[in-house]
This record gives sequence, C-alpha cells and structure tokens, in this order.
Amino acid sequence: KNEVEQSPQNLTAQEGEFITINCSYSVGISALHWLQQHPGGGIVSLFMLSSGKKKHGRLIATINIQEKHSSLHITASHPRDSAVYICARNTGNQFYFGTGTSLTVIP
Amino acid sequence: DTAVSQTPKYLVTQMGNDKSIKCEQNLGHDTMYWYKQDSKKFLKIMFSYNNKELIINETVPNRFSPKSPDKAHLNLHINSLELGDSAVYFCASSQGQGVSYEQYFGPGTRLTVT
Repeated sequence: KNEVEQSPQNLTAQEGEFITINCSYSVGISALHWLQQHPGGGIVSLFMLSSGKKKHGRLIATINIQEKHSSLHITASHPRDSAVYICARNTGNQFYFGTGTSLTVIP
Repeated sequence: DTAVSQTPKYLVTQMGNDKSIKCEQNLGHDTMYWYKQDSKKFLKIMFSYNNKELIINETVPNRFSPKSPDKAHLNLHINSLELGDSAVYFCASSQGQGVSYEQYFGPGTRLTVT
C-alpha cells in the first residue's frame, strides 16, 4: 500500500509567489525524498531528509516526524520551477512514491 | 560526463518480443535501481542491486529480469512483452546500500509495446 499523499495535485502560481507542496505518510520512515521531474521527463533528487529542515537555494524542505508530514517550499517562484514535484518515503528497503504535484509558474 | 546513462532512449516493439534496456553509472556508486513510471506518471520501484546483489525485488512479473554484470551496470531484460509494459523506465544509482541515500536518475527509456 502506498500511503504517501501529496497535495495539491496541481498548482498554478504567478512568478514571485511563495509555494508550498505537502506530503503526508502513515508509517515510520528511514528518509523522505523530494524529487523534481522536468517537463522533458528527467528526474532530479532535490532533498533527502529524516528530520528538521534543509535548504538549497530557493528551495526549502521540512519534515515533522511526529506528524508524519513534509513540506517543500519554493520562494520567489520562477517559470523555470514549473515541473512535477514528487515525494517518496523509504522505510528500510521499501520505497514508495507519492502521485506528484504538477506546478506551473506563470510569468 | 553523463552520470547515469540509459540506452536506448526510445524503444518501440511488438507484443511477444524480448527486449533489453541498458544502464551504466560512472559515479562509483554501490547501488543501482530500476523504476517504472506508468502513463499516469506514477513511479514505482522494481529492483535494486547493491554490489551486484539483488536487495529489492518488488512484485514484478518474472518476465522482467535484472542483470548486473558489474557494479557500474544494471540491465533490464523483458521477455514476452505485453501492452501493459508500455511505460517509461528509469535507472538510478546511489552511494551505499539501501535507499536512504540521494539517488541519481538516468534520462529514462520510453518503451512502447504495440
């Protein structure tokens, strides 16, 4: 069973807006991954975290282990941020993906 | 230099055929993976190999057989292809055993079965 839920499924934002994508899971994890899939199909790993918060440029990922919830934030969004953002949980050697959030940033 | 490469990028074939997809990584990573992304863009892990040893084998038809000739290569063989096998297949690699490591993905192979 997947048990990795993402919201929203689709998101349209104006350039410059602050964006939040949420990920919830229902079982304990070893790590939570955030991935970005570009319109061309390529997949890039953005973050892997098991506690706290990580920041890379305009991207910030947070996780609350007790609440089994993670968020991906994008500050000062830009059209080049348009992509599908996927969270995935791993527990031991199990690895399950969310269904993705499709983000479109309009100039 | 391409970190994780896959060949071919596109593969169109008929039902019943046998085909292979190759994957190579030049990152010196210990673990390699195969993922399937279906038409709804949902990703699912299929296999994982660590130092040529199978460590993850999800519920995948036995028509799919991974082969790892060495640590840098993990090929996917598919026998008796079916329409439902049409998908994008991604190879990935990570340092260390298990999935609690950052993964590096290949560009994907779009398989179309007619």
